[in-house]
Amino acid sequence: EAGVAQSPRYKIIEKRQSVAFWCNPISGHATLYWYQQILGQGPKLLIQFQNNGVVDDSQLPKDRFSAERLKGVDSTLKIQPAKLEDSAVYLCASRSLREDTQYFGPGTRLTVL
Amino acid sequence: AQSVSQHNHHVILSEAASLELGCNYSYGGTVNLFWYVQYPGQHLQLLLKYFSGDPLVKGIKGFEAEFIKSKFSFNLRKPSVQWSDTAEYFCAVSGNTGGFKTIFGAGTRLFVKA
Repeated sequence: EAGVAQSPRYKIIEKRQSVAFWCNPISGHATLYWYQQILGQGPKLLIQFQNNGVVDDSQLPKDRFSAERLKGVDSTLKIQPAKLEDSAVYLCASRSLREDTQYFGPGTRLTVL
Repeated sequence: AQSVSQHNHHVILSEAASLELGCNYSYGGTVNLFWYVQYPGQHLQLLLKYFSGDPLVKGIKGFEAEFIKSKFSFNLRKPSVQWSDTAEYFCAVSGNTGGFKTIFGAGTRLFVKA
């Protein structure tokens, strides 16, 4: 079974630029999560989808972050415009409705200069 | 507020030493508890989980954790660590009162000296 795929693995941008991350969950997993992990901290949930609907986006900075999962499969997370404090690893995870275990992708390390 | 506290940010042990990593949580209602591990250069993966039943949970690679409800704790243990256990360990909690949102602790970096 293929795992959660994410791209790119690394991204360096300047502040005020835009960036997008892509995630392809494990096949058949209805629930998809985006987390932000700042250095020295644990992952923090940004947004949770179930199929193509948003379940929780209470911690998503909506003035600059957006995410979509239009067909209920893969998802994109966008930051526009980026700030220095957005430097972090962005993790995608997916979960089957039959269990409460999340499976994580390798993450995208974003550096904002 | 829902939160997870991991007692140690960095732990250094010699091979064959015993390990115990502390985790306390604040989360109302019924909880599910997890320990995730991130080996150098690899992604987060599940080490073990507790949903219900026996509060002593055994996971992969000889790890175990004990859920003590009265102390809101879920400490991770291993009787004898190996160099290959060098990694970062995250405690996490989810539950029905939070819509099963998972809250992670800040992590503990374990370094095992050969």
